[in-house]
Amino acid sequence: EPEVTQTPSHQVTQMGQEVILRCVPISNHLYFYWYRQILGQKVEFLVSFYNNEISEKSEIFDDQFSVERPDGSNFTLKIRSTKLEDSAMYFCASSAPGQGPEQFFGPGTRLTVL
Amino acid sequence: DQQVKQNSPSLSVQEGRISILNCDYTNSMFDYFLWYKKYPAEGPTFLISISSIKDKNEDGRFTVFLNKSAKHLSLHIVPSQPGDSAVYFCAASLAGNNRKLIWGLGTSLAVNP
Repeated sequence: EPEVTQTPSHQVTQMGQEVILRCVPISNHLYFYWYRQILGQKVEFLVSFYNNEISEKSEIFDDQFSVERPDGSNFTLKIRSTKLEDSAMYFCASSAPGQGPEQFFGPGTRLTVL
Repeated sequence: DQQVKQNSPSLSVQEGRISILNCDYTNSMFDYFLWYKKYPAEGPTFLISISSIKDKNEDGRFTVFLNKSAKHLSLHIVPSQPGDSAVYFCAASLAGNNRKLIWGLGTSLAVNP
């Protein structure tokens, strides 16, 4: 069964460093998303992406964040200058047009900012 | 942001019995409601959804009920199995493609053998 994959599974970085989280969505999906979950808190929407453009972004998704689909398979989230409060699980998801609202999630990347 | 609420952080049931997980929402514009299951160190796994124009959707052991007037939905698992032990999230979305999911805090279900 096709699945969303994410790398790395765990990323440790120093505050102020740039990180890139990588995702490979399900191959025939066209809509892509990033969410995050800070420990003990709700899953929060960050950004949605379609046709090489951001469709919607949350207040969390400020100028420090960017997304890119550099080729036909990868979808990346970049955090330019990480802060301690960026420590969280980051989930990538994808969905297909006309197949309902279901989004399919990857296993997540645990980002730890020291 | 309290648009989707799961007021029970945990639930414990015996194997073979019914598990009922509850979810409340405040935004009457939500178009779809979804339930996800999550094991530790894994991403959320889609379980079942329901459109706002329906009041029930069933898939095997899982049934979701929607009460729009009460802005309440529930997930029933019958019969419960130990492998169902996980965190269950309620999520909601507005109409249209590529719409964000708004999540509840989750309910941790333990099914005891």
